[in-house]
Amino acid sequence: KAGVTQTPRYLIKTRGQQVTLSCSPISGHRSVSWYQQTPGQGLQFLFEYFSETQRNKGNFPGRFSGRQFSNSRSEMNVSTLELGDSALYLCASSLVGQGVGGYTFGSGTRLTVV
Amino acid sequence: DAKTTQPNSMESNEEEPVHLPCNHSTISGTDYIHWYRQLPSQGPEYVIHGLTSNVNNRMASLAIAEDRKSSTLILHRATLRDAAVYYCILSALTAGGTSYGKLTFGQGTILTVHP
Repeated sequence: KAGVTQTPRYLIKTRGQQVTLSCSPISGHRSVSWYQQTPGQGLQFLFEYFSETQRNKGNFPGRFSGRQFSNSRSEMNVSTLELGDSALYLCASSLVGQGVGGYTFGSGTRLTVV
Repeated sequence: DAKTTQPNSMESNEEEPVHLPCNHSTISGTDYIHWYRQLPSQGPEYVIHGLTSNVNNRMASLAIAEDRKSSTLILHRATLRDAAVYYCILSALTAGGTSYGKLTFGQGTILTVHP
């Protein structure tokens, strides 16, 4: 079966711009989580959505937001980009979320802010 | 969130068993022990998880200490494809725990497998 699909794979943006990343979970999975990975901070949890509702949120500023659609696809938005937002953004899907049965991660979107 | 401690790196030879340790002395009763691994240029991959009893699946085995303050991921016969960063993570599977609903990754253990 198809895995978790993230688009685009690579993105270059300028400081101050905004960006939207997309994630299509495995068919049937209703939970989508987002993570940021940087060399300095490692993997950090951003937020989790389940049935179009944000269920959990990490310690990131309000510039980071997300949403989930009725088909479980999710988007993540970062506004007013800063150089420090350059990172690999990973999406993970799960049947019901919260660790049950494990999460399946996508290959990520590599965002570079210049 | 409860913290885990893992060695920064370990090395193994191909076709030999590998035991990856993890200490989690502040684990709470609602925390499950999860292991994920991340191969170069890929997202993390679920390996195994458990609560109290030892667990086996097609990828690995998880041995959990009786007091649950430590655990060991066992790869029975390492292959070159097992070279990755291995993360030991605590995550509550029931509401009420601070780690509920999210994975808190540490720095993990870099496993190098020699041919």
